[in-house]
Amino acid sequence: NAGVTQTPKFQVLKTGQSMTLQCAQDMNHNSMYWYRQDPGMGLRLIYYSASEGTTDKGEVPNGYNVSRLNKREFSLRLESAAPSQTSVYFCASSPPGTSSYEQYFGPGTRLTVT
Amino acid sequence: QKEVEQDPGPLSVPEGAIVSLNCTYSNSAFQYFMWYRQYSRKGPELLMYTYSSGNKEDGRFTAQVDKSSKYISLFIRDSQPSDSATYLCAMTARYSSASKIIFGSGTRLSIRP
Repeated sequence: NAGVTQTPKFQVLKTGQSMTLQCAQDMNHNSMYWYRQDPGMGLRLIYYSASEGTTDKGEVPNGYNVSRLNKREFSLRLESAAPSQTSVYFCASSPPGTSSYEQYFGPGTRLTVT
Repeated sequence: QKEVEQDPGPLSVPEGAIVSLNCTYSNSAFQYFMWYRQYSRKGPELLMYTYSSGNKEDGRFTAQVDKSSKYISLFIRDSQPSDSATYLCAMTARYSSASKIIFGSGTRLSIRP
C-alpha cells in the first residue's frame, strides 16, 4: 500500500496563478482532509470531506476550493494564488469509527507564491 | 489565546535521557488527546492517543493527561537519536467532526549521540 500520496512535491507560483494539489489514498478510508502548516502555527485545517460527495470548511478555507472526486481522491485548488498561501500543504485520511483522531498524512507539497 | 499551547523548543538532550514534552489547553470539551511525530520534510504520523484522563504506555513512550489542570505530557525514556523529530500534540472532543481537531505548533526535539 502506498498510503496517502500527494502531487506535486514542490511548486513555485506567481501571484494570481492557479493550481490544483492532488491527493489520493489507497486505504479505503472515508474521511479526507487538507491542512496547511506554517512556522509557529501548527497544522490548520483548510477543508475536509467526511465521505464521498461531501465537503466542509475547516479553520482557514478562504482562497481555496476542494473536490472529492471519488472515495480515493481529494484535490485542493488555489484559484488565484497569493503570497500568504506560501506554506506546506498536507493531505490526510482517517479510517471510519476513529472519531477522526487517527489520521494518516501524505508527504506534503511545498508551495511558494512569489 | 490559542486553544492549545505548546513550547516550540528546540529541545536538545543527550542520548539516553528522559524527555518530557508538554501541552496546555483551554477547552474542557476535549476528550481525545494525541501525539504526532513529524520527521524533517515528512508528514506527521500518529504516535499515541489517550482518551480522557490517565496514562498510556507504549514501549519507551508514555502519554499522560491531567484534565483537571488541562495539561498533557509525553515522556520518552532512554531517548535515541532516531527520536529526533518535531512532536505535535493534538486534541479533539469525542465524536466531533474533523474541524474540531486542534494541533499544537510542535516541539522540535534533538537527541545528541
